[in-house]
Amino acid sequence: DGGITQSPKYLFRKEGQNVTLSCEQNLNHDAMYWYRQDPGQGLRLIYYSQIVNDFQKGDIAEGYSVSREKKESFPLTVTSAQKNPTAFYLCASSRSLAGGRNEQFFGPGTRLTVL
Amino acid sequence: RKEVEQDPGPFNVPEGATVAFNCTYSNSASQSFFWYRQDCRKEPKLLMSVYSSGNEDGRFTAQLNRASQYISLLIRDSKLSDSATYLCVVNGRGSYIPTFGRGTSLIVHP
Repeated sequence: DGGITQSPKYLFRKEGQNVTLSCEQNLNHDAMYWYRQDPGQGLRLIYYSQIVNDFQKGDIAEGYSVSREKKESFPLTVTSAQKNPTAFYLCASSRSLAGGRNEQFFGPGTRLTVL
Repeated sequence: RKEVEQDPGPFNVPEGATVAFNCTYSNSASQSFFWYRQDCRKEPKLLMSVYSSGNEDGRFTAQLNRASQYISLLIRDSKLSDSATYLCVVNGRGSYIPTFGRGTSLIVHP
């Protein structure tokens, strides 16, 4: 089955540690995204990538880093510089459809808690 | 003004009721529109795209009003399983960057 996988589902981190969240897709989508969602809040864009070896900052990129070495993979590193990293992290992918439509498909998410 | 605005609710309705949500957007150049459903502690899932002429999928009807810059979602004959948060999504900054509303919470009770 085609889809997006994220791992781990739950992640606990001590303050001062970097952690990397995995996102893999086998939908052959060009674009991939990382979002953060806080309780009762909407999705906020962290980074996005339109093609391999290229990525752009979203609205809240500070304290995060990404790489896009393969079309299928878009890992997110939460660094110690991120002051409030506890949140629900969602990865998504999309392909550009006719007429500019761009439906996104989401992975199941990673719930990160800083202890 | 926020780019995409939704009434957060919650909308509390009995089974069988008809309920409608609106979503307004600020960018008049927006090209594509979607409704997503998000269950508690789960990822958003695409419910339906919104087409200019309006479209229907079973009990769900989506409408677009470009002149007034809003989209709507109508749910008929509500089921308990419709309880979720409904997210409005608009492509307003280029075809790769959707903008999400904060969502409208729906609670369907027996």
